[in-house]
Amino acid sequence: AQTVTQSQPEMSVQEAETVTLSCTYDTSESDYYLFWYKQPPSRQMILVIRQEAYKQQNATENRFSVNFQKAAKSFSLKISDSQLGDAAMYFCAYRDSGGSNYKLTFGKGTLLTVNP
Amino acid sequence: DSGVTQTPKHLITATGQRVTLRCSPRSGDLSVYWYQQSLDQGLQFLIQYYNGEERAKGNILERFSAQQFPDLHSELNLSSLELGDSALYFCASSVAPGGDSGANVLTFGAGSRLTVL
Repeated sequence: AQTVTQSQPEMSVQEAETVTLSCTYDTSESDYYLFWYKQPPSRQMILVIRQEAYKQQNATENRFSVNFQKAAKSFSLKISDSQLGDAAMYFCAYRDSGGSNYKLTFGKGTLLTVNP
Repeated sequence: DSGVTQTPKHLITATGQRVTLRCSPRSGDLSVYWYQQSLDQGLQFLIQYYNGEERAKGNILERFSAQQFPDLHSELNLSSLELGDSALYFCASSVAPGGDSGANVLTFGAGSRLTVL
């Protein structure tokens, strides 16, 4: 079974600085998708960024980018120019490619605090 | 607003009771997923439906059941409730049940907070 590990229960960053959240996963599949979701105090799960495993290029969405290391099964999230609104719980998630369901396997999450 | 609507937002009930959580998927989405988020277990996949049919089952207890109706809304029924069932229950939806389109991601609702006393 696939597993997702987030080794940092909590992280903090100063406003305008850069922070990197770590995620590792375990799978025997060669093709899959990886995601980072954000859960602010409102509890809403918001998709931040996604990466297709067959793509070598790291995904980027504005201030958010990933460092995808397929051989190492590592998928870290970098947040640049951190803003107060980035404070949230961040979840790394995995999904098999293909098949007939979109079951996501989540890590335990990293609570990010942004200090003014 | 994600477009996925969940009701009720909060629910407090007693052990042994039964509750029903409701989810309306985003317009155009045919597949619905239920997830449970608790402090000890984290986010766990419960069950998936596509166009009224069950497609995948995760860590769903036998005391729990779900269905998707012809109008595509879904209900999660939780019975014989225990203290450990207290959690945030999320519904998510997607356009299709399968396929590798990177654009076909899950959209989550705001969740239903269940407290069992």
